Amino acid sequence: EVQLVESGGGLVKPGGSLRLSCAASGFSFINAWMSWVRQAPGKGLEWVGRIKSKTDGGTTDYVAPVKGRFTISRDDSKNTVYLQMNSLKTEDTAVYYCTTQTPLGWSPYWGQGTLVTVSS
Amino acid sequence: NFMLTQPHSVSESPGKTVTISCTRSSGSIARNYVQWYQQRPGSFPTTVIYEDDQRPSGVPDRFSGSIDSSSLSASLTISGLKTEDEADYYCQSYDSSNHRDVVFGGGTKLTVL
Repeated sequence: EVQLVESGGGLVKPGGSLRLSCAASGFSFINAWMSWVRQAPGKGLEWVGRIKSKTDGGTTDYVAPVKGRFTISRDDSKNTVYLQMNSLKTEDTAVYYCTTQTPLGWSPYWGQGTLVTVSS
Repeated sequence: NFMLTQPHSVSESPGKTVTISCTRSSGSIARNYVQWYQQRPGSFPTTVIYEDDQRPSGVPDRFSGSIDSSSLSASLTISGLKTEDEADYYCQSYDSSNHRDVVFGGGTKLTVL
């Protein structure tokens, strides 16, 4: 059974940093592309970014509002993907979901999400 | 870059059929696969349609997806509506330009009353 378990969310002040983790199991993590998707309270889904498998280059891409502030990384030895968030803004407040992602954009598996609140 | 536009809300009665549209702002809708996700309150999204018209195992055949290249739109059709179908539905497609992989529509609130 595929499981994605996010952790690391919480309350942080504007300008602060937070690192989210997503522990994966039940599939071949080393070959998987992984992404983060967020959802602000009462709003729709927004793709945040993606990291390819190392076999496919391990490269990352991000949506424009988070470029230069967020970094996705992975540790294949721990079956874990991370989202490092710096210079946080109030508009980054959202539930952050970890997902698997196919090369053509489909996210078949999602975690339960972790809430990040950016507020003074 | 392109956007995906969905109606904000739709409503229909149990047993009826509803169709939710997803219109691409530029470029052919057929250029990249379209997925549809269902999100019930307080839960994470789950796939009801992937790769335009494919249903994951466990999704009833009351759910179907289609593409209309002439109208730049994809559609999700749910027949034999049940109260449990009441949820938010999001379309999603892939944008390989400008290194932005995934685009979501704004979501449609389906009310079954």
